[in-house]
Amino acid sequence: AQSVTQPDIHITVSEGASLELRCNYSYGATPYLFWYVQSPGQGLQLLLKYFSGDTLVQGIKGFEAEFKRSQSSFNLRKPSVHWSDAAEYFCAAADKAAGNKLTFGGGTRVLVKP
Amino acid sequence: DGGITQSPKYLFRKEGQNVTLSCEQNLNHDAMYWYRQDPGQGLRLIYYSQIVNDFQKGDIAEGYSVSREKKESFPLTVTSAQKNPTAFYLCASTADGFGTEAFFGQGTRLTVV
Repeated sequence: AQSVTQPDIHITVSEGASLELRCNYSYGATPYLFWYVQSPGQGLQLLLKYFSGDTLVQGIKGFEAEFKRSQSSFNLRKPSVHWSDAAEYFCAAADKAAGNKLTFGGGTRVLVKP
Repeated sequence: DGGITQSPKYLFRKEGQNVTLSCEQNLNHDAMYWYRQDPGQGLRLIYYSQIVNDFQKGDIAEGYSVSREKKESFPLTVTSAQKNPTAFYLCASTADGFGTEAFFGQGTRLTVV
């Protein structure tokens, strides 16, 4: 079955430190890939997306993600975290062969220490 | 400003009662979706609609119903058949179906007591 896995449920990082959130997908072919961010009690906002082409994708708020086909991964990174980056982050994939239905990972909650 | 409006933000209902969650969008998007969010489980698709007067079941449709009589509106009814309805519900829309950027509402937190 198609799935998206985020291995880390919680991550704590110091302000100013770098951040990397892991995402692995299991699909027959490379799906469309997305990263969303959710502040507490709010909806989701798109950070970035990968459809094809350059494997390093730039997004909003200083985030970037790298697609690695050999590892079925789409990890999210930020070089220097700000306190406002504390939120929950969701990786998602859309399967082109199944009407592009969007499947979400379980999410990673990021806590930022001062 | 264009966007998606969900109402109410908080909803309390007694067990056994049906309840309807509202979702309205003014983005002129064709497709709309309902997701349920539970801690540690990400978002799970309940129903989606690619066009007016048509909708399909998602992964966890049992105990829920929807309608799509207008392009702007996609209400979700949580029926008494839903065994564990307490959750955070998110509505989303896309311009032309999955695979494009989804815009989300602010969510409705439903608590059944």
